[in-house]
Amino acid sequence: GAVVSQHPSRVICKSGTSVKIECRSLDFQATTMFWYRQFPKQSLMLMATSNEGSKATYEQGVEKDKFLINHASLTLSTLTVTSAHPEDSSFYICSAWGVGAGNQPQHFGDGTRLSIL
Amino acid sequence: AQSVTQPDIHITVSEGASLELRCNYSYGATPYLFWYVQSPGQGLQLLLKYFSGDTLVQGIKGFEAEFKRSQSSFNLRKPSVHWSDAAEYFCAVGKYSGGGADGLTFGKGTHLIIQP
Repeated sequence: GAVVSQHPSRVICKSGTSVKIECRSLDFQATTMFWYRQFPKQSLMLMATSNEGSKATYEQGVEKDKFLINHASLTLSTLTVTSAHPEDSSFYICSAWGVGAGNQPQHFGDGTRLSIL
Repeated sequence: AQSVTQPDIHITVSEGASLELRCNYSYGATPYLFWYVQSPGQGLQLLLKYFSGDTLVQGIKGFEAEFKRSQSSFNLRKPSVHWSDAAEYFCAVGKYSGGGADGLTFGKGTHLIIQP
């Protein structure tokens, strides 16, 4: 089945650091990738949608200058949290969709737990 | 705008008993509906999905769900729960077409506790 790999699985860093999270589709071409954020004991909230080769579309309330998304190839999207602060600590999950992903809109990565000290 | 409501934040069930988790959705068209399970600190695992056709959907781990358009519901059921079913369960709605997919809208989740 379709596999999405997300790296790293956990990041702990100091306030003010920029953090990059990678999301890769391993066995299909991901036309579209999605980034979600999940605060502790809460649901997943869609942050942004990125189509390969295009600028990402951000959901209302998500700062595009804070959360930089790049989707330069059909197998890789990156989310960079710029100048991260403790309030950015969260669980970030990507998902991918594309031709070859089967009859399922999105395949999810295992998530990245970001902790900002 | 689409929305998903999971009215039960917590549910406690005895091991071996039956389970039903409720999910109601609001969507302007025929929805694509999903149930995911998440163990603590883990990613999401898809239990089952409804796209079209038979309104009773079978999933993994013995779960099933029934789509009821008239009630805008997609409740998840299992006839006999196991202690390993303890987890967070999310209902989600999305849109999919040959031209692309939209991000999913998730409910707030139901925390399932299994009593021995």
